Amino acid sequence: GAGVSQTPSNKVTEKGKYVELRCDPISGHTALYWYRQSLGQGPEFLIYFQGTGAADDSGLPNDRFFAVRPEGSVSTLKIQRTERGDSAVYLCASSATDRGRDTQYFGPGTRLTVL
Amino acid sequence: AQKITQTQPGMFVQEKEAVTLDCTYDTSDPSYGLFWYKQPSSGEMIFLIYQGSYDQQNATEGRYSLNFQKARKSANLVISASQLGDSAMYFCAMREGKGSSNTGKLIFGQGTTLQVKP
Repeated sequence: GAGVSQTPSNKVTEKGKYVELRCDPISGHTALYWYRQSLGQGPEFLIYFQGTGAADDSGLPNDRFFAVRPEGSVSTLKIQRTERGDSAVYLCASSATDRGRDTQYFGPGTRLTVL
Repeated sequence: AQKITQTQPGMFVQEKEAVTLDCTYDTSDPSYGLFWYKQPSSGEMIFLIYQGSYDQQNATEGRYSLNFQKARKSANLVISASQLGDSAMYFCAMREGKGSSNTGKLIFGQGTTLQVKP
């Protein structure tokens, strides 16, 4: 079946601009996660949704970052007033539920470059 | 304090030999889960194996096994019969519990780069 998809695969923007990154999870998965991965590092948690609600947004670095999942499926990560330090690969993952041994399956990521 | 520690930034192994990738973790929660992921140069994170804190036996998935030593808080990944396609970055991750179940986010280590030599 189809895996997690993310668009765009690459995004280049200028400092101060607004960007939206989209994640389409595996069909039927209720939990959706966003992570950020800098070069040579492990992914860092940003936010996760159980259904439509954000169950944990403790990883969002500041109020320039926001994410939504209005219908409990597709999610959009929004970054306002981008800074060069926001450059990273943004990974999305989904799992059947957010519990126990349910595996998080990752998408290919969106590489964001802020010039 | 770092919750997941992978002390080997890079490892080499000869093709067809076994290799162990180290992972130690830190948590005060009795319920947690440990995951290993592989990230090839293409960038996609591929799930390999899972160990729950209450699991009685070490997890195995094909050529992958997890050497889980709870008292030492270690969860080392063992890859048997290494193949050239195993060359990649490997991440250990933990999901902490809330009460009787573990939920939500994964906390990742820094990763270990494995290179398999022909």
